[in-house]
Amino acid sequence: GAGVSQSPSNKVTEKGKDVELRCDPISGHTALYWYRQSLGQGLEFLIYFQGNSAPDKSGLPSDRFSAERTGGSVSTLTIQRTQQEDSAVYLCASSLGTKVGNTIYFGEGSWLTVV
Amino acid sequence: KQEVTQIPAALSVPEGENLVLNCSFTDSAIYNLQWFRQDPGKGLTSLLLIQSSQREQTSGRLNASLDKSSGRSTLYIAASQPGDSATYLCAVMRDKLVFGAGTILRVKS
Repeated sequence: GAGVSQSPSNKVTEKGKDVELRCDPISGHTALYWYRQSLGQGLEFLIYFQGNSAPDKSGLPSDRFSAERTGGSVSTLTIQRTQQEDSAVYLCASSLGTKVGNTIYFGEGSWLTVV
Repeated sequence: KQEVTQIPAALSVPEGENLVLNCSFTDSAIYNLQWFRQDPGKGLTSLLLIQSSQREQTSGRLNASLDKSSGRSTLYIAASQPGDSATYLCAVMRDKLVFGAGTILRVKS
């Protein structure tokens, strides 16, 4: 597609439920990133995928968070047993690679509210 | 651990002014530095990317500079307009982006 596409754009869920957030990167981009932005906070790195390499999961805040990338394209971020502190905007981004000169492009985000 | 700092945290200027946003980072081992714009309720829009070997990049009224050795970058906005009002984010990249907290810019008409 023309840009990074994320769905759903908005999600309200009850505490304790699981949620899945989807990201479609720009076609041909081998690198895919997930970030989180809480209200009034900066952007927090969660995880990134680069080609067939093992993902860098160092930013995932707890074992309730997981992500996968199927076929080197679409990615799903799953949050199990959601908590109110998980309420945030979840931003996905993609790029041609992770080295010099590769611009990173962001989607519009998935706004998650846990009630 | 890479840390990115942006100064000022907020800035309010009258329309037409030239302005400078500052970004500093602690680890100079970066591949790129990227400036983004974020409008309320929206995602991030990439403005400029400067590779580690470059000194500056220009796009329209925007000019970004990079001094990697001192860990500094500036974003210069010429002849500011109300439509420039947004949060401006600086991020450095080595494998993944590390962001500053942003500068909230308001341009008054």
